[in-house]
Amino acid sequence: GQNIDQPTEMTATEGAIVQINCTYQTSGFNGLFWYQQHAGEAPTFLSYNVLDGLEEKGRFSSFLSRSKGYSYLLLKELQMKDSASYLCASMDSNYQLIWGAGTKLIIKP
Amino acid sequence: ETGVTQTPRHLVMGMTNKKSLKCEQHLGHNAMYWYKQSAKKPLELMFVYNFKEQTENNSVPSRFSPECPNSSHLFLHLHTLQPEDSALYLCASSQLDGQGANIQYFGAGTRLSVL
Repeated sequence: GQNIDQPTEMTATEGAIVQINCTYQTSGFNGLFWYQQHAGEAPTFLSYNVLDGLEEKGRFSSFLSRSKGYSYLLLKELQMKDSASYLCASMDSNYQLIWGAGTKLIIKP
Repeated sequence: ETGVTQTPRHLVMGMTNKKSLKCEQHLGHNAMYWYKQSAKKPLELMFVYNFKEQTENNSVPSRFSPECPNSSHLFLHLHTLQPEDSALYLCASSQLDGQGANIQYFGAGTRLSVL
């Protein structure tokens, strides 16, 4: 079957670093996505990994290990505006996205 | 602004009503999607249109009826819905060509409440 697992909720402190993990199991694999969704707003694209390794984009980095079916999103220098849900999604052999339930990230001052 | 616009943002309807959700994308993409998002559950893909042709219908009940008149517009017609259909309905678009990342861009959604 197809399955994406990520933690339901995480809490971190402003200025700190947080890592959100995601494990996936899909029929075929064409890449791993991370999206950010603020309450009441559209999910917005953060990152796409298709090769193993770390992709850095400003304060956000995303890592992929295809052999382990594992990815993480790393957020540095956390700001209050980073409070949101972070959605992990794997693209299957039909180029459709299989989604996790999202990780709600709470940032405390 | 993501380039994908959904209307209305909020909708309350009775179980016997008929209503339609509208989505428009200004990104020149060839594929459009309807998703259902319920609290604490993964996004559920409902329908996919590629070049106006429906390519996915994930066992969605017939009370949901999609329409894609052209590659920029997508509708979801609703009739005789059930209270469990209350959710956030998201529209997305992407350039689906079997290459590249197929990054999907989302509208802000329609929050639907069925009474």
